[in-house]
Amino acid sequence: DAGVIQSPRHEVTEMGQEVTLRCKPISGHDYLFWYRQTMMRGLELLIYFNNNVPIDDSGMPEDRFSAKMPNASFSTLKIQPSEPRDSAVYFCASSLNSGSWDTQYFGPGTRLTVL
Amino acid sequence: RKEVEQDPGPFNVPEGATVAFNCTYSNSASQSFFWYRQDCRKEPKLLMSVYSSGNEDGRFTAQLNRASQYISLLIRDSKLSDSATYLCVVIPNTGNQFYFGTGTSLTVIP
Repeated sequence: DAGVIQSPRHEVTEMGQEVTLRCKPISGHDYLFWYRQTMMRGLELLIYFNNNVPIDDSGMPEDRFSAKMPNASFSTLKIQPSEPRDSAVYFCASSLNSGSWDTQYFGPGTRLTVL
Repeated sequence: RKEVEQDPGPFNVPEGATVAFNCTYSNSASQSFFWYRQDCRKEPKLLMSVYSSGNEDGRFTAQLNRASQYISLLIRDSKLSDSATYLCVVIPNTGNQFYFGTGTSLTVIP
C-alpha cells in the first residue's frame, strides 16, 4: 500500500496568494483528517471527513481556510488569501473506520511557507 | 486551559537509561488515550494505545491514572533509535475530537 499521499511536499508562496494542498487517503479508509503543526501550537486538528462528508470543521481557523472531499480518494485544503502566520506543516491522515480511531495513518506532510 | 499538556523537554538521556514522560489531560470524561512517535521532519506514527490496566510492548510501558488525569510512557534500556518526539493523544467521551499534546523531545546519547 502506498500510504497517504500528499502534494506538494513543500510550498513557498507570497502573502495574499491562494494555496491548495492535496491528499489521497489510503484506499478503503472512511475517515480523512487535516492537521496543522507548528512549534508553538503543536498538532491541531482542522477538519475531518467521514465518507466524504465534513463532520467537524471547528478547528478551521477562519474563513480563509476551506476543505473539500469530492470523492473517496481525494481531498483538498485551500487557503485564500494566505498569510505569513499560516506557515506550518499540514498533515493529512486517514483511518479505516470509527472503531479504529487510534490508528491514524499520516501522510508525509506539506511544509508551507508564506512570505 | 489546554485539553492536553506535555512537558516539551528536551530529555537527553544516555543509552541504556530508563526515561518516563507524562501527559496531563483536562477532561475527566476522556475515554481513549494513545502515544504517537514523530521523528524529525517526519509524520507522526502510532506507538501504542494506553489501556486502563496499563500495557507493555517490549521496552515500552504505557499507564493511565484517571484519578490524577494523566498518562505516562516509560522507556527502558533506551536505544539511540528511540530519539524522537513523543506525542500523547486524548479522545474525549464524545468521541469526535482528537487532542494531541505538543510533544516531548527525547534524545538518546551514545
